[in-house]
Amino acid sequence: DIQMTQSPSSLSASVGDRVTITCRASQGISNYLAWYQQKPGKVPKLLIYAASTLQSGVPSRFSGSGSGTRFTLTVSSLQPEDVATYYCQNYNTAPRTFGQGTRVEIK
Amino acid sequence: QVQLVESGGGVVQPGRSLRISCTASGFTFSNYAMHWVRQAPGKGLEWVAFISFDGSNKKYIDSVKGRFTISRDKSKNTLYLQMNSLRVEDTAVYHCSRGDACSSGICHWRAFDIWGQGTMVTVSS
Repeated sequence: DIQMTQSPSSLSASVGDRVTITCRASQGISNYLAWYQQKPGKVPKLLIYAASTLQSGVPSRFSGSGSGTRFTLTVSSLQPEDVATYYCQNYNTAPRTFGQGTRVEIK
Repeated sequence: QVQLVESGGGVVQPGRSLRISCTASGFTFSNYAMHWVRQAPGKGLEWVAFISFDGSNKKYIDSVKGRFTISRDKSKNTLYLQMNSLRVEDTAVYHCSRGDACSSGICHWRAFDIWGQGTMVTVSS
């Protein structure tokens, strides 16, 4: 099974900061990588698929990159409404493993 | 609108069974693979099970193999998860989600773009 490892597990940044989260796959998954945002008490929301394609309606301050085994999610200018836990996921095999999550807070 | 609505959660004793459901609307249910994802209190997301668009292929996380069964009813636009021999560690909110899109038997891997609000399953004596 493919393992997905995110870093850091949590971060605290100021409004307007650039924030980067990394996700590593234990084996190559091409670009079959998705990022989800889960706000406290809410349902997960798809942010990015195919490693770098923004889901409709997602603000352009979010971006994704990577291929193979290393991927990144970047928020170019952190906003208060971005407080959430972010998960990566591979979706080309079963199990469709999620990373352990990265909690993002405002400093 | 495109929607998934789960139901059937509740409190159950260890070793007992429970079936949860997920009703789809706003899209052609039979054209999509479906998944169950769970989230234990205060924990991360855990993929649980997959069923292909036509029900012919099913996959499970190792911890539920032999205990859980995923199924679907095309006529009712409904996805099910039959959970037997429940354990305390199965306590979680269970979400259904939409996966791979299929047309004329050809499927394309897709991220989970639609999620239900979840149904809480509590396993406790």
